[in-house]
Amino acid sequence: DAKTTQPTSMDCAEGRAANLPCNHSTISGNEYVYWYRQIHSQGPQYIIHGLKNNETNEMASLIITEDRKSSTLILPHATLRDTAVYYCIVSSGFGNEKLTFGTGTRLTIIP
Amino acid sequence: GAVVSQHPSWVICKSGTSVKIECRSLDFQATTMFWYRQFPKQSLMLMATSNEGSKATYEQGVEKDKFLINHASLTLSTLTVTSAHPEDSSFYICRASKQGNTEAFFGQGTRLTVV
Repeated sequence: DAKTTQPTSMDCAEGRAANLPCNHSTISGNEYVYWYRQIHSQGPQYIIHGLKNNETNEMASLIITEDRKSSTLILPHATLRDTAVYYCIVSSGFGNEKLTFGTGTRLTIIP
Repeated sequence: GAVVSQHPSWVICKSGTSVKIECRSLDFQATTMFWYRQFPKQSLMLMATSNEGSKATYEQGVEKDKFLINHASLTLSTLTVTSAHPEDSSFYICRASKQGNTEAFFGQGTRLTVV
């Protein structure tokens, strides 16, 4: 798996947009950018993924730079329940591929 | 989305005993399952990869005789922590692999405390 770099922690005010950056400068052409989050004492939860186009779903938006070396996960209106550790992972997307988790970003939503 | 169920959610056991953790894919067949371990305030570390009907592949530094993995069916994998010690206390998470190009599906995790 290509290595990713994320800030260790971030704070965001409730109701504001949370923007979580990720650097993945060694990403390969066939690798997707996946985002997962882990709420305390639970298993990781899938959020969104993309290859090169920006993506949006009911949970978040994913902005990938044109050179694909970095991306930003956007939670448009953060709530207290969004407090979690967010992991950015690059992967070919095949189900049997090993996934390597970095340290992630600990996002704290402040009331 | 696919559902992966892990049981138990938490367990406390005495030092020297063995503990079995189950991971089930409820609505799909998982040819590959992965087991991770997570210590407090740390990231998930892959322990082993199990393929249905064959022996598990362990990551470097993980004792295969201590962490027994069985993947006897396409919907069930088990991790048995044998002769558990307090240092084995951790959060154990399974991941079940669905065929094709897709996101990863994780169990809810099992918090093991060895006293």
